[in-house]
Amino acid sequence: EDQVTQSPEALRLQEGESSSLNCSYTVSGLRGLFWYRQDPGKGPEFLFTLYSAGEEKEKERLKATLTKKESFLHITAPKPEDSATYLCAVGGGSQGNLIFGKGTKLSVKP
Amino acid sequence: DADVTQTPRNRITKTGKRIMLECSQTKGHDRMYWYRQDPGLGLRLIYYSFDVKDINKGEISDGYSVSRQAQAKFSLSLESAIPNQTALYFCATSVGTGRVETQYFGPGTRLLVL
Repeated sequence: EDQVTQSPEALRLQEGESSSLNCSYTVSGLRGLFWYRQDPGKGPEFLFTLYSAGEEKEKERLKATLTKKESFLHITAPKPEDSATYLCAVGGGSQGNLIFGKGTKLSVKP
Repeated sequence: DADVTQTPRNRITKTGKRIMLECSQTKGHDRMYWYRQDPGLGLRLIYYSFDVKDINKGEISDGYSVSRQAQAKFSLSLESAIPNQTALYFCATSVGTGRVETQYFGPGTRLLVL
């Protein structure tokens, strides 16, 4: 069964304290791994797409990496405005629909 | 203007009522999706459509129906709402290619069924 697991469920950081979020997956034939940011009461906002193991993408303080079993979202020197829930999804199955993890809720304190 | 819009943004209804949630997009994407989000359960796919004549059930389609009126419009209906359908509902779109493409989400509809 295709599955996506994100850890930790919640993460509290001090401003400037770098860390990483994990997304491990089990899917029969990965067809893309996607990271989204979601603010409370809003729709998920696209961050990155990764298609191949070894691929990396960066945007401001965020960097996403991909291996054959997991992806990491590295946050360097986070700011309070980085506080949000980060969602990971993989494309799988016969139609390639997205399978979402439950998210990691990040809180960055000043 | 937002690329993916949803109406209404908030809705309170009673058990047994019929309700329709609407989604419109200006991105020119062929594919559209409906998800629901519940605390602790994440996003789950209800229905998806690859074009106007192609509609498919997702993971949790029971109790829901959809209509793809045009490339840009995709509606979700609850024929007889029940309290268990209280959730945050999202519409999403993506281009249609041979691989899995990024989905872009609307702002969501918060539905409360009493």
